[in-house]
Amino acid sequence: EADIYQTPRYLVIGTGKKITLECSQTMGHDKMYWYQQDPGMELHLIHYSYGVNSTEKGDLSSESTVSRIRTEHFPLTLESARPSHTSQYLCASSVGTGNQPQHFGDGTRLSIL
Amino acid sequence: AQSVTQLDSHVSVSEGTPVLLRCNYSSSYSPSLFWYVQHPNKGLQLLLKYTSAATLVKGINGFEAEFKKSETSFHLTKPSAHMSDAAEYFCVVSGGGGATNKLIFGTGTLLAVQP
Repeated sequence: EADIYQTPRYLVIGTGKKITLECSQTMGHDKMYWYQQDPGMELHLIHYSYGVNSTEKGDLSSESTVSRIRTEHFPLTLESARPSHTSQYLCASSVGTGNQPQHFGDGTRLSIL
Repeated sequence: AQSVTQLDSHVSVSEGTPVLLRCNYSSSYSPSLFWYVQHPNKGLQLLLKYTSAATLVKGINGFEAEFKKSETSFHLTKPSAHMSDAAEYFCVVSGGGGATNKLIFGTGTLLAVQP
């Protein structure tokens, strides 16, 4: 069982609020990722990190930002939430090169009213 | 560029009958391929992976997949479906070598298991 944790699991909040979604892993993985997934759809990469102080934007444009100050922690922030941000956000981590699988957290289901 | 195509968006089987979830891939080099399963309100769990070793890959929960380069396929099978297998299944190809380890996801196949 992979040790990667996301909080909160569910969040319902009003428009304009600042939100931080937490993701932590205890495996010492250098690479971490954030995906956005709408119901019944595939995952889209929105951010990734090679390691501490490294962050890159993914394939899907997102208004969110991320930071990687510690190896184990990769939070995602929305400065001003909007209804279009309603989605499920999944965090993942991996070690090594392209043939290594990613380990996923259980996700945060975000609803913006 | 790498891509995957899951040929069926929905598959319905009866409990105890075989499962076949189809996946074709496109890759400009020898790919790494994965199957993940996602149960409702959960993250993705790795079922199995192919990384250029044996072409028949055995995974967890009785699933296996066969890499067929000539057909560019990586279909997922299980001899006998169980009710607990009902979930969304994603075929995934590694997006390239080097440092990024980016994954390219298929659109998913929703497996329903009828009693």
